[in-house]
Amino acid sequence: DTAVSQTPKYLVTQMGNDKSIKCEQNLGHDTMYWYKQDSKKFLKIMFSYNNKELIINETVPNRFSPKSPDKAHLNLHINSLELGDSAVYFCASSQSGPKKYFGPGTRLTVL
Amino acid sequence: QQQVKQSPQSLIVQKGGISIINCAYENTAFDYFPWYQQFPGKGPALLIAIRPDVSEKKEGRFTISFNKSAKQFSLHIMDSQPGDSATYFCAASNDNQGGKLIFGQGTELSVKP
Repeated sequence: DTAVSQTPKYLVTQMGNDKSIKCEQNLGHDTMYWYKQDSKKFLKIMFSYNNKELIINETVPNRFSPKSPDKAHLNLHINSLELGDSAVYFCASSQSGPKKYFGPGTRLTVL
Repeated sequence: QQQVKQSPQSLIVQKGGISIINCAYENTAFDYFPWYQQFPGKGPALLIAIRPDVSEKKEGRFTISFNKSAKQFSLHIMDSQPGDSATYFCAASNDNQGGKLIFGQGTELSVKP
């Protein structure tokens, strides 16, 4: 069973479009995250939700809007996609501690 | 501001050799220092982690050495194997900051047979 899953695995789209990435965890964790990995493989946190409440929002453009319908899901919606949004987006989860479990990533390519 | 600096950027080691990756941090409030391993096309996976109250932690062939006064920590991979070829990330976090992990820039390790 996959602990943290993301869909889609790959996403190719045109500039200006709106797209969503979905994340689900079956670990029973309370906290979920979105991280962005750029072309140089640098990983940076974007958002963190604890029990559906936003607790970290790292100077991310407001075109990015996370949504947590329940504590097992954290989706990322991106409006008006730009070339610079091309990256790999990772969802992660944790429970009452610093250890994080990462999903397999979604490679977003904006043309 | 890069709070965690990692070196080298890439590393080539012969099979059976020792791989050493170094990290330095700035924020003395960090209290958790993990190392993550990432294979191509996969998400990062926790390899080993240390708290600042100990100077060394060993798990199998992987050892973290921690120097609190120098604000540095390193990963040693003993008897490196081709299957260890991956990108390694050090990171740091503070339990009071919502679990926010600050990553180093990553080291691409290649172990030659």
